[in-house]
Amino acid sequence: LAKTTQPISMDSYEGQEVNITCSHNNIATNDYITWYQQFPSQGPRFIIQGYKTKVTNEVASLFIPADRKSSTLSLPRVSLSDTAVYYCLVGEGTNAGKSTFGDGTTLTVKP
Amino acid sequence: NAGVTQTPKFRVLKTGQSMTLLCAQDMNHEYMYWYRQDPGMGLRLIHYSVGEGTTAKGEVPDGYNVSRLKKQNFLLGLESAAPSQTSVYFCASRTSRVSGRGYNEQFFGPGTRLTVL
Repeated sequence: LAKTTQPISMDSYEGQEVNITCSHNNIATNDYITWYQQFPSQGPRFIIQGYKTKVTNEVASLFIPADRKSSTLSLPRVSLSDTAVYYCLVGEGTNAGKSTFGDGTTLTVKP
Repeated sequence: NAGVTQTPKFRVLKTGQSMTLLCAQDMNHEYMYWYRQDPGMGLRLIHYSVGEGTTAKGEVPDGYNVSRLKKQNFLLGLESAAPSQTSVYFCASRTSRVSGRGYNEQFFGPGTRLTVL
């Protein structure tokens, strides 16, 4: 199973850009990198996924270096409602069940 | 389109009792998953299924059984509940497509909060 390591917690202020990095040294060739957001008492929600280089959607960007051993989720101009736990998941694709959620990063956005 | 639903939302069991958690999805997804989440922890995969009639063990399968008799339903059973199984249980599903929009995205249900006394 692809193991991931993330910072346990991060603090930020409204309007700032937040970057959360995930390490995944044993990523396999076919593995994708997916990020999820989870609010208290809710199931995780998909944010973004990528395989290499940079991916951007309406809520976030994902940066993946050439060696793919890490990835960085970038949240532009965070607001209080972005306070949540963020999980990096490596794997899945055609290999269902071969990836694990780590303990995630608790992001706290302050006014 | 309800997405992924879970039944029940809450349940309290006594040690040794049995119960079944039901997950249903209306997105015609091939893959379905059962996770558990303990307080302050990430999600751990219990069992998963890549299609009707097939199931496989995940990271923490002991003490649980599953069945996928219909494509839209995935059942998680606890035959003899133990206090260590007190947790929040999440079901998820996703398409088996290998590309395109939504590929690899797991859709999660609202969770079932289970307490075993």
